[in-house]
Amino acid sequence: AQSVTQLGSHVSVSEGALVLLRCNYSSSVPPYLFWYVQYPNQGLQLLLKYTSAATLVKGINGFEAEFKKSETSFHLTKPSAHMRDAAEYFCAVSDRGSARQLTFGSGTQLTVLP
Amino acid sequence: DVKVTQSSRYLVKRTGEKVFLECVQDMDHENMFWYRQDPGLGLRLIYFSYDVKMKEKGDIPEGYSVSREKKERFSLILESASTNQTSMYLCASTPSGRTSSEQYFGPGTRLTVT
Repeated sequence: AQSVTQLGSHVSVSEGALVLLRCNYSSSVPPYLFWYVQYPNQGLQLLLKYTSAATLVKGINGFEAEFKKSETSFHLTKPSAHMRDAAEYFCAVSDRGSARQLTFGSGTQLTVLP
Repeated sequence: DVKVTQSSRYLVKRTGEKVFLECVQDMDHENMFWYRQDPGLGLRLIYFSYDVKMKEKGDIPEGYSVSREKKERFSLILESASTNQTSMYLCASTPSGRTSSEQYFGPGTRLTVT
């Protein structure tokens, strides 16, 4: 069974600082990987996804993530945090053979300090 | 744009009541999902459906059932609501065929069982 680990349930950064949210997966073959964002009282919105076309994936709102097979990681970064980035972020993985199903990490709550 | 709607944003029910949560998508997606979201646990899959009248159990199906009579509509049923079913419920859909496709989420229903 696949699993996803998000290190750090809460991360705080100052406005303008680098955002780094960590995600590690366990899978016997490179899966599809996703980052979603959830703003308060809303559903999940896709930030970006990795489907093997390129290891560095750029998403919306200035976020990007790099797939590192050797480290089984897919960390999310943004060079400069904005107040509007405060939200909960979820990493998810799907098996290429059964990609209809996603396995989610437990989420990371990002706080941006003024 | 894909739109996934859920029948209620907030719902308060009493223990023992039968509860219906409805989800409708407008993009002709074959696959639909029900998740529950709890703090620190991420999203956990309750049931999913890959076609009309078809359903499969997810990771936590106990206490829930589902119905899919039409392609665009997927209902989650709590036969006899209990307080431990107080949670946020999220519906999602995705097309079949493109295995790398992301899931599209509704805004969620926050259910409180008293």
